Amino acid sequence: GAGVSQSPSNKVTEKGKDVELRCDPISGHTALYWYRQSLGQGLEFLIYFQGNSAPDKSGLPSDRFSAERTGGSVSTLTIQRTQQEDSAVYLCASSLVEQVEAFFGQGTRLTVV
Amino acid sequence: QKEVEQNSGPLSVPEGAIASLNCTYSDRGSQSFFWYRQYSGKSPELIMSIYSNGDKEDGRFTAQLNKASQYVSLLIRDSQPSDSATYLCALYGGATNKLIFGTGTLLAVQP
Repeated sequence: GAGVSQSPSNKVTEKGKDVELRCDPISGHTALYWYRQSLGQGLEFLIYFQGNSAPDKSGLPSDRFSAERTGGSVSTLTIQRTQQEDSAVYLCASSLVEQVEAFFGQGTRLTVV
Repeated sequence: QKEVEQNSGPLSVPEGAIASLNCTYSDRGSQSFFWYRQYSGKSPELIMSIYSNGDKEDGRFTAQLNKASQYVSLLIRDSQPSDSATYLCALYGGATNKLIFGTGTLLAVQP
């Protein structure tokens, strides 16, 4: 595709429910990143995928968060048993290879009520 | 010490002036540096990348990198009200390929 695509754009969920957020990177990009941005805050690194290597999960805030990347392309971020503090914008970015420019999707705004 | 540090601002400059945005980092092994612009309610947009010491110019934007001082900056010449946004400094860790961001500097260009 022309750019990084994320879905849904907005998600409202009840506390305790599971949610799945999707990221479709730019075609051919081997690296994919997930970030979380709470209102008025900076970008918090969550997880990073590069090709077939084991992902860097060092930023996942708890074991309720997980992510996978299938076939080296689409990635899904799953949050189990959502809490109100999970409310934020979840951003996905991709880059052609490591150490070069990364481009962001439009983000998914998650609201936990 | 934070991995990437920026002054949160706001930095207020008059229209037509030069805006200077600064960033320091702690990982001496970092090799790739970027500036992103983020408008309120939008996702970050890449505006500059710099990999070597010195200056890199692109239109009204100039990125400056000094690896010895662990310092990267962004100059915006002839600032316009449309430049009002949060500017994020980003870099890849030297030992990892994790792309990490500063908290951003809010720039306000006054007409």
